[in-house]
Amino acid sequence: QVNLLQSGAALVKPGASVKLSCKASGYTFTDYYIHWVKQSHGKSLEWIGYINPNSGYTNYNEKFKSKATLTVDKSTNTAYMELSRLTSEDSATYYCTRLSIRGTGFAYWGQGTLVTVSS
Amino acid sequence: DIQMTQSPSFLSASVGDRVTINCKASQNINKYLDWYQQKLGEAPKLLIYNTNSLHTGIPSRFSGSGSGTDFTLTISSLQPEDVATYFCLQHNSGSNTFGAGTKLELK
Repeated sequence: QVNLLQSGAALVKPGASVKLSCKASGYTFTDYYIHWVKQSHGKSLEWIGYINPNSGYTNYNEKFKSKATLTVDKSTNTAYMELSRLTSEDSATYYCTRLSIRGTGFAYWGQGTLVTVSS
Repeated sequence: DIQMTQSPSFLSASVGDRVTINCKASQNINKYLDWYQQKLGEAPKLLIYNTNSLHTGIPSRFSGSGSGTDFTLTISSLQPEDVATYFCLQHNSGSNTFGAGTKLELK
């Protein structure tokens, strides 16, 4: 079965960076893009962007182009998102997600990683 | 960028009620609108894709309709387990945009 296992909660200082991971299993990692979504506490969802694990091609929401960097490690079936120059506005839960087999809707989600930015 | 206006923000209804949630796109998104359910402390769950197609395993009391800029999620007979926040998502453009969410509670 498809599983996306995300790294644990992170407490980071303002101005620092953090790298979140999303380990995929149960399918061929390079067959599906990995998307990332931000959810600020009690608020809505924001699509950050996606990466093609096969080619490394990325597509970002304009809002996150200077904030997030998406990468993958095909040898470990893991996708990464690095967030830089963190501020309190970056405190949120971040999800990785993948489309369904037919490419219709985000059918698979990680459990989310809570990032707290605080001194 | 395409903006999604979701309404209402909050909805209180009784078990057995018919519930409707709306999303309006700032421009034509054809049929490329999905609906997600998110329960407290959980990741979102896909309910409906491409306006009106029910995702695998989703109860038939959930349905979607609309086209172009106006879309609706309907729960035909509200059940206690439907208490959650519901989000629409447009994926017509190369970017994806979520609605602000509708929090559904039991009256």
